[in-house]
Amino acid sequence: ETGVTQTPRHLVMGMTNKKSLKCEQHLGHNAMYWYKQSAKKPLELMFVYNFKEQTENNSVPSRFSPECPNSSHLFLHLHTLQPEDSALYLCASSHGPDRGVNEQFFGPGTRLTVL
Amino acid sequence: GQNIDQPTEMTATEGAIVQINCTYQTSGFNGLFWYQQHAGEAPTFLSYNVLDGLEEKGRFSSFLSRSKGYSYLLLKELQMKDSASYLCAVRDEDYKLSFGAGTTVTVRA
Repeated sequence: ETGVTQTPRHLVMGMTNKKSLKCEQHLGHNAMYWYKQSAKKPLELMFVYNFKEQTENNSVPSRFSPECPNSSHLFLHLHTLQPEDSALYLCASSHGPDRGVNEQFFGPGTRLTVL
Repeated sequence: GQNIDQPTEMTATEGAIVQINCTYQTSGFNGLFWYQQHAGEAPTFLSYNVLDGLEEKGRFSSFLSRSKGYSYLLLKELQMKDSASYLCAVRDEDYKLSFGAGTTVTVRA
């Protein structure tokens, strides 16, 4: 595997379900991110982790719970979601801030539908 | 915070040139990025500008004017595979990216 991978690619869940999204990066990066992408809206930054420590929680509801066990893996635990949470959830990774251009590399996303 | 504006849609003919404008109002600036996103796929990095001027990469060029809060992405010799959404993103001094809503470019034969 190369780059940033995400599983599952598609997920349908009811409002009372609990599920988890998984992201893995094979680029040796130190920072990982969760974004939400809704139709016709800008990507919204949800969470940032640097060296496994959460450095940003962009006012995300507590029904979204991130977990970063190491610099290569990132999870997003979901519970009691609402239909308006249906969106594409993108994971990204990058080097630390002192590494040049430091562009973010994105995974293909998980298309989430909440019924 | 950041306020980033770009056109919603643009259409152009194969072989032509298209310019996608992006304007931004920011509380801090540490670089501007352009990403390409094909439908159902991950955004992929295209270009980065942190100083004023033009950066050229093959058929794609990106321009930045920090004093005007303005950037554009220029796509030359358009190909059908260039049909995609193009995202403008501004990085702040905390290294966080804020994105525009994206410009969907449709290339017609």
